[in-house]
Amino acid sequence: DTAVSQTPKYLVTQMGNDKSIKCEQNLGHDTMYWYKQDSKKFLKIMFSYNNKELIINETVPNRFSPKSPDKAHLNLHINSLELGDSAVYFCASSQGPTGSNEQYFGPGTRLTVT
Amino acid sequence: AQSVTQLDSQVPVFEEAPVELRCNYSSSVSVYLFWYVQYPNQGLQLLLKYLSGSTLVKGINGFEAEFNKSQTSFHLRKPSVHISDTAEYFCAVTPSNDYKLSFGAGTTVTVRA
Repeated sequence: DTAVSQTPKYLVTQMGNDKSIKCEQNLGHDTMYWYKQDSKKFLKIMFSYNNKELIINETVPNRFSPKSPDKAHLNLHINSLELGDSAVYFCASSQGPTGSNEQYFGPGTRLTVT
Repeated sequence: AQSVTQLDSQVPVFEEAPVELRCNYSSSVSVYLFWYVQYPNQGLQLLLKYLSGSTLVKGINGFEAEFNKSQTSFHLRKPSVHISDTAEYFCAVTPSNDYKLSFGAGTTVTVRA
C-alpha cells in the first residue's frame, strides 16, 4: 500500500494551460505539504495544510492554489503555466505540524512546460 | 531564520569505502536535524533524525550522524558503502519552535565498483 501517492507522475503541457496535481495519503496524518524541486535538485516548501487549514504559504505566485478537501488529500492547481514552473513537485505528510515529526514524501510529479 | 549548507555537492566513492557527507546549519534557536535520501526518480526517504539526547544518531541502511552543537554541524557517515547507496542526500533543519523544514542543496553520492 502506497503511503503518499501523487497523480500524475509525469505532466507535459504548454505554456498558458491550467493543470492540477493530486496527492493522497493513507497514513492518517493531519499535516500535508507541497514542495518544489528545481532542476538543480533544490527543494523548497510551497504550502502546508493542517487539518484542512493552510498553515504555510511561502512566497509562491498566486497562480498556484492548493486545496485540501479533507485531511487525506491535498491538491495543487496551477493556472497560466509558465516555462519556469517546470520542476518536480513533491507532496508530503506528517503526523502533525511540529518540527520533530518525520515527513513522508510521495514519488513526485515531473511537470514539463513547453 | 535558519539555513543549511551542504559542503560537498558531489562525492564519488568506491564500493566498500567509507563516506562522510558534511552538513552545517545556522539558527538562532535550537533545532531538529534530519538526513533524507532520494534514490533516482523517487521521493525522499528519512535516513535519520536528531531531536535531543545522544549526539550520535543511528539510522537505516547503516548510516549514522553526529550532532555537534558547538560547530553547528550534523555530518552523515557510513563505514562501507554499496552500489545501492548511489543517491542524492539532503540535510534538513527545522527550528524546535517551528515546523517549516529547510533543506540543503543536496549531495550527490556516486558509488563505483
